[in-house]
Amino acid sequence: GQSLEQPSEVTAVEGAIVQINCTYQTSGFYGLSWYQQHDGGAPTFLSYNGLDGLEETGRFSSFLSRSDSYGYLLLQELQMKDSASYFCAVLNQGGKLIFGQGTELSVKP
Amino acid sequence: SAVISQKPSRDICQRGTSLTIQCQVDSQVTMMFWYRQQPGQSLTLIATANQGSEATYESGFVIDKFPISRPNLTFSTLTVSNMSPEDSSIYLCSVVSWQGEEGNTEAFFGQGTRLTVV
Repeated sequence: GQSLEQPSEVTAVEGAIVQINCTYQTSGFYGLSWYQQHDGGAPTFLSYNGLDGLEETGRFSSFLSRSDSYGYLLLQELQMKDSASYFCAVLNQGGKLIFGQGTELSVKP
Repeated sequence: SAVISQKPSRDICQRGTSLTIQCQVDSQVTMMFWYRQQPGQSLTLIATANQGSEATYESGFVIDKFPISRPNLTFSTLTVSNMSPEDSSIYLCSVVSWQGEEGNTEAFFGQGTRLTVV
């Protein structure tokens, strides 16, 4: 079977740094992705890790360790607009994306 | 990148009826994916729509309930048949831009169809 685990919710203050962890169990693993979804909107792509290590895109970074079946999304200099749901997703055989349950991030003033 | 037009954006339907959701992509893609997202929940893959062959359904989803068409490389439809209130959900279509095992891979989504069955 396939499963992904991530915290259900995280709260942080503006300007802070937050890390959202994701562990996975899957077969045919190609890579780990992260998506952001605001209420009422479609998921939007944040990052993809096909190889071990850190990928940085502006305020967002993502990390993957294949040997540990673990990854995380790091959000720096948090802003109110970062309040949203964040999903990790495993890219599987056939180009399928299997999503975690999502982490609701609340950014407080 | 890919731009996906999905319609309808929302609908309220009577139980026992069917609704067909359409997705049009601005480029040719081999596979299109259909997801369901219940309020406050994650995205669950329903099926993979392949051009020229039958759709591939995930565990728990069957063709009789969710028939899919894929007449060409830019278009697909998902029908939710014989609806019940449990089918109330957001339905999303998606395509994936694949750049090889070491390249970037990004999924693009339609804006979703918010379905309410009464």
